[in-house]
Amino acid sequence: DTGVSQDPRHKITKRGQNVTFRCDPISEHNRLYWYRQTLGQGPEFLTYFQNEAQLEKSRLLSDRFSAERPKGSFSTLEIQRTEQGDSAMYLCASSLVEWGTDTQYFGPGTRLTVL
Amino acid sequence: QKEVEQNSGPLSVPEGAIASLNCTYSDRVSQSFFWYRQYSGKSPELIMSIYSNGDKEDGRFTAQLNKASQYVSLLIRDSQPSDSATYLCAVTLSNTGNQFYFGTGTSLTVIP
Repeated sequence: DTGVSQDPRHKITKRGQNVTFRCDPISEHNRLYWYRQTLGQGPEFLTYFQNEAQLEKSRLLSDRFSAERPKGSFSTLEIQRTEQGDSAMYLCASSLVEWGTDTQYFGPGTRLTVL
Repeated sequence: QKEVEQNSGPLSVPEGAIASLNCTYSDRVSQSFFWYRQYSGKSPELIMSIYSNGDKEDGRFTAQLNKASQYVSLLIRDSQPSDSATYLCAVTLSNTGNQFYFGTGTSLTVIP
């Protein structure tokens, strides 16, 4: 399977705990994006990387959220001191920017439930 | 004002009919436009991208872009029950790098 993969697919945690999600992009893709989606809403942008550089973060992103892409391949998204409002589907997408286009392909997502 | 707006539906069409989905956006100089399909509990999957005014056809799907009126639409011909899903419109805005702005999606049901 050469698509975007995410791990874990489901995570249940208690409020106040830290969680970490992993995303493995399509191998030749240089950009990697994180989104959050809640029921009835479209995906909401969180942050993105070009290679290992984090180029943009949503102004809505709390400082409890941090993302890394240390070698320009896989990425991790950590949420510290989780809150019930963090419950959502966390989506990763990757793209290869070429010829001025940037088409994003999504992974299966990690569904987070904070109790 | 939301950057991307879609009618949330639900939209119901009989099998074999044409389904028409619409999306409007607020930034006049938006560059790229995408339609994604999302089945319940699954992640979005790309249907089409469109970058210039006019129509773009891919199989049963046709995307239409009108930058002057700031709307993009998706037509699904010969609708099938398997087309029943939520359709998300995504736009990249000119001044915010390459992040996608998504609409809330339109729920489509194709009735056999």
